[in-house]
Amino acid sequence: AQSVTQLGSHVSVSEGALVLLRCNYSSSVPPYLFWYVQYPNQGLQLLLKYTSAATLVKGINGFEAEFKKSETSFHLTKPSAHMSDAAEYFCAVSTGGGATNKLIFGTGTLLAVQP
Amino acid sequence: DSGVTQTPKHLITATGQRVTLRCSPRSGDLSVYWYQQSLDQGLQFLIQYYNGEERAKGNILERFSAQQFPDLHSELNLSSLELGDSALYFCASSATGGTGDTQYFGPGTRLTVL
Repeated sequence: AQSVTQLGSHVSVSEGALVLLRCNYSSSVPPYLFWYVQYPNQGLQLLLKYTSAATLVKGINGFEAEFKKSETSFHLTKPSAHMSDAAEYFCAVSTGGGATNKLIFGTGTLLAVQP
Repeated sequence: DSGVTQTPKHLITATGQRVTLRCSPRSGDLSVYWYQQSLDQGLQFLIQYYNGEERAKGNILERFSAQQFPDLHSELNLSSLELGDSALYFCASSATGGTGDTQYFGPGTRLTVL
């Protein structure tokens, strides 16, 4: 069965510092991987998606993620954190095969940005 | 704004009651999904519909049911409510419903069962 694991339920960085949020996946087939962000009292917003077209995926708001098959990882990074990046981030994998599209989410990482 | 709308935003009800949550997908999307987000269970997939037909089922309780109507909007019905059903319920939609198809999420309905 496909799954994702997010290491670190809470990450705190200083404004301007590198953001690194970790996600490892488990899949017997090439996965479709996603990162979503959830701001307080809001829904989930898509940051980026991996579809095997390129291992480095660029998303919105300066975020990017690199797919590493050898490490079964899809970590999310941003070179310089902004206060507005404070939110909860979810890694997800699409499962089902063919005509179904069930998203399995990680447990989330709450990012705090210190001034 | 994802283009997915959900009503109501908040719902407060009592144990044993029944409620209906409504979702309108993005224009052109044929597939609708329901997820539950709670502190103890995290984000859990409940059910997927495509063009009115059920496509996939997750950990959806028998007390819960859903449907997608000909105009593609969807409703999630929760009955015999228990305290543990208090959660944020999200609807998402995607174009085709196939594996890997990007899902766009609505703002959610926060259900509180007292």
